[in-house]
Amino acid sequence: DQQVKQNSPSLSVQEGRISILNCDYTNSMFDYFLWYKKYPAEGPTFLISISSIKDKNEDGRFTVFLNKSAKHLSLHIVPSQPGDSAVYFCAASYGGSNYKLTFGKGTLLTVNP
Amino acid sequence: DADVTQTPRNRITKTGKRIMLECSQTKGHDRMYWYRQDPGLGLRLIYYSFDVKDINKGEISDGYSVSRQAQAKFSLSLESAIPNQTALYFCATSEPSQPGANVLTFGAGSRLTVL
Repeated sequence: DQQVKQNSPSLSVQEGRISILNCDYTNSMFDYFLWYKKYPAEGPTFLISISSIKDKNEDGRFTVFLNKSAKHLSLHIVPSQPGDSAVYFCAASYGGSNYKLTFGKGTLLTVNP
Repeated sequence: DADVTQTPRNRITKTGKRIMLECSQTKGHDRMYWYRQDPGLGLRLIYYSFDVKDINKGEISDGYSVSRQAQAKFSLSLESAIPNQTALYFCATSEPSQPGANVLTFGAGSRLTVL
């Protein structure tokens, strides 16, 4: 049973517009959520995280929103740039086992010039 | 040089062969991990190690073994490779982060094809 779900395999947006990547989870024990970005032929790189005690975390053009009641989080990229084109993975962990990250399947974002 | 280096980057082998994927890091992190990625699937944890003497199975350890030769080196072995082990393998490192998010630093990946 997949505990972290990214239901959109791909997303295409125009440069300058907002990109919204979504992630749903089923395990209410998760208390940290992370987003990773992956370019082809490279390993995933950490982008941004959020604690379950917060509902928003912002870092430059990237903002993550957490809705605990809906078990849903989203990553907003504003404005989107062609260099943002990559696969984005949502991941979650909990408590004393926070070294175990549970990943979603990823969403391929394409930002068109 | 990369913080986390994986070798080989690509490998094609035959069913039944023994394969070793190697990982070395310059981050100075105690924790090291091996993940596997399959098309359309997220990353799944194979093994993890908190230090040289502490090695633990992840969610998909069957058919794999690991060795932590030093703080900086963590290798993954497939004793007898089978086609469904064809995948992209990632090594990662992290520092203890209680409380807080466990931020992993990944290598570039090793693509393994088992024929």
